This record gives sequence, structure tokens and C-alpha cells, in this order.
Amino acid sequence: EAGVAQSPRYKIIEKRQSVAFWCNPISGHATLYWYQQILGQGPKLLIQFQNNGVVDDSQLPKDRFSAERLKGVDSTLKIQPAKLEDSAVYLCASSLGVGGLIYGYTFGSGTRLTVV
Amino acid sequence: AQTVTQSQPEMSVQEAETVTLSCTYDTSESDYYLFWYKQPPSRQMILVIRQEAYKQQNATENRFSVNFQKAAKSFSLKISDSQLGDAAMYFCVHSGGGADGLTFGKGTHLIIQP
Repeated sequence: EAGVAQSPRYKIIEKRQSVAFWCNPISGHATLYWYQQILGQGPKLLIQFQNNGVVDDSQLPKDRFSAERLKGVDSTLKIQPAKLEDSAVYLCASSLGVGGLIYGYTFGSGTRLTVV
Repeated sequence: AQTVTQSQPEMSVQEAETVTLSCTYDTSESDYYLFWYKQPPSRQMILVIRQEAYKQQNATENRFSVNFQKAAKSFSLKISDSQLGDAAMYFCVHSGGGADGLTFGKGTHLIIQP
């Protein structure tokens, strides 16, 4: 079974520029999550999709962050404009059901973003 | 809101010995799950062990076991016979069930001394 694919693996941009990250979950997984992991901290949930609908985006800074999951498969997370404090690893995870408690969560290897 | 606290930023243990990583949590949920995840330098989160709060029996997975104290809201991870491949960041994680995402602690960096 292929894992959760994320790209790019690394990205360096200047502040005020835009950036997009891509995630392809495991085939058939209905639920997709984006997490932000700042250096030295645990990941923080940004947004959760079930199929192509948003379940929870309460911690997404909506003035600069946006995410979509067209057709309920892969997803993109965008930051526009980026700030220095957005430097972090952005992790994508997917789960077969709603919440991964029964079926488990599978994480990708993340995108490391550096804003200079 | 749930919170997860890991008070040990870094732990070091000799290969083949036993180490315990501490975790406390706070939750308003009556039904929830707790996990330990491992994050090696590859950055991919790997599930180590999970515990359902309604189960009194502590979960065990080979060399990994937990000490779940529900009343004290404590959830420690014991690694027996430590191996070099166990070196990683370990995160204590809470999930409140349903559509909730995961709430992570800040992590403990585990070093294995050969």
C-alpha cells in the first residue's frame, strides 16, 4: 500500500511570497488532515476534511492560509502572504474513517518550509 | 480543550536498558484515546502504541508498554531493551473521538547510547 505522498519536501521563500503544498492521501481514505509543526513543538491541527468537505478549520489562520480538497482525493494547502513565523514542517495525514481512532492515521513525511 | 504535557524535553538511555517517558493530559471528554507516536529524522509519524480510555488494562506492543492512570490523567511509555533504532522524538497524543483531530505534546527527544 502506498503511503501518504507530500511535495515538495523542502521549500524556501521570502516573506510576503506565496507557497503551496500538495498532499495525496492513501487511496480510499475519506479523512485528510493538515498539521503545522513548528520547530521544538508538537504538530498542531490546521484543518480536517472528510471527503471534500471541511470538518474542522478552527485553528487555520484564514487571513493567509487556505486549503482545498477537490473531488475528495488530494489536497493543497496555500499560504499567501507568508510570514517568518510560518516557518515549520507541514504534515499531511489521512484516515479511512472519520477520525483515525478505529482505522488509524497515516502520516506523510511533510514539507519543511523556511521563510526568510 | 485538551492539553498534553511532556515534561522531559530529552532523555538518554544505554542500549538494552529500560526507559520511561512521562506524559500528563487534561481533557473534558469522557471517552477518548491516547497514543504514543515516534518521529524519526525522516519526519514521518509512526504509531507506537494506543490506549482506549475505557479499557483499564494497559496496552502492550512487544517492547513498548504504557502505564495508564486515568484518575491521575497520566500516560507514560516504557521502552524495554532499548535499541539504537528507537532513537527519535516521541509524542504523547490525545484524541477525543468522533471527528476530532489529534492533540500533541511537545515531544521528548530520546537518545540511545551504544
